[in-house]
Amino acid sequence: DTEVTQTPKHLVMGMTNKKSLKCEQHMGHRAMYWYKQKAKKPPELMFVYSYEKLSINESVPSRFSPECPNSSLLNLHLHALQPEDSALYLCASSQGKDSYNEQFFGPGTRLTVL
Amino acid sequence: QKEVEQNSGPLSVPEGAIASLNCTYSDRGSQSFFWYRQYSGKSPELIMFIYSNGDKEDGRFTAQLNKASQYVSLLIRDSQPSDSATYLCAVNTGFQKLVFGTGTRLLVSP
Repeated sequence: DTEVTQTPKHLVMGMTNKKSLKCEQHMGHRAMYWYKQKAKKPPELMFVYSYEKLSINESVPSRFSPECPNSSLLNLHLHALQPEDSALYLCASSQGKDSYNEQFFGPGTRLTVL
Repeated sequence: QKEVEQNSGPLSVPEGAIASLNCTYSDRGSQSFFWYRQYSGKSPELIMFIYSNGDKEDGRFTAQLNKASQYVSLLIRDSQPSDSATYLCAVNTGFQKLVFGTGTRLLVSP
C-alpha cells in the first residue's frame, strides 16, 4: 500500500488561529517530510523527520511547528500565519536513510490564510 | 548551489506521439533521479525513478540517465490527452533531500 493520507483536505484560517495538519503513512517508512507548494512552483522542502527525529529544518519560520508522535504520524502545527503562507502543504514519506529516497506524496492540504 | 533545470514548456504533442522531457542537474554527486507527474490542483505522483546509467522502461514510460552529461530524460510513448500535466524532475543529492526542477508542462492534443 503506497498511500500517504493527509487531513484536512482544505483549511481556511485567520491570522490569529491555531490549527494543525495531519499526515499518516502505513508503509513502514522511517522518513517523513513536509513541503510547501505555491501555484506553478515546485514543492519546497520545509522539514524532514528521520526515525522520528527532526533532521532537517529549512529555516522555516517558528509559526510552523512540526511534530512526529510516532513513525507513522506527522503533524504540522500552525499559529499566527500570514496570508502569504497560503499554499498547498504536502506530506511525503520514504524508506529512510540508505535508500534511494523515493518519496511518496500525500494528496495535500490546501491552506488559505485570511 | 545544487540546481535542476527543466524547460517550463508547454510542450505540445499530438495524441499518439512520443513526448520527450529533459532535465539537467548540476551536482555530480547526485545519486538517484525521479520523475513526478502533477495534475493541476493535485499532489505530485511518482511515475519513474532511475539510479544507474542507461534506460529504464515501465509501460509507456522510459527514463534515461546519462551521468557523464548530467541529464535525465523521460519519454512517454503513445501520448494520451490524460498525460497532460506538469512533469517534475527531482534529484536526490544526498542527506534525504530532493531538489526539484520547476517542471515541464505537457499538453497532449486529441
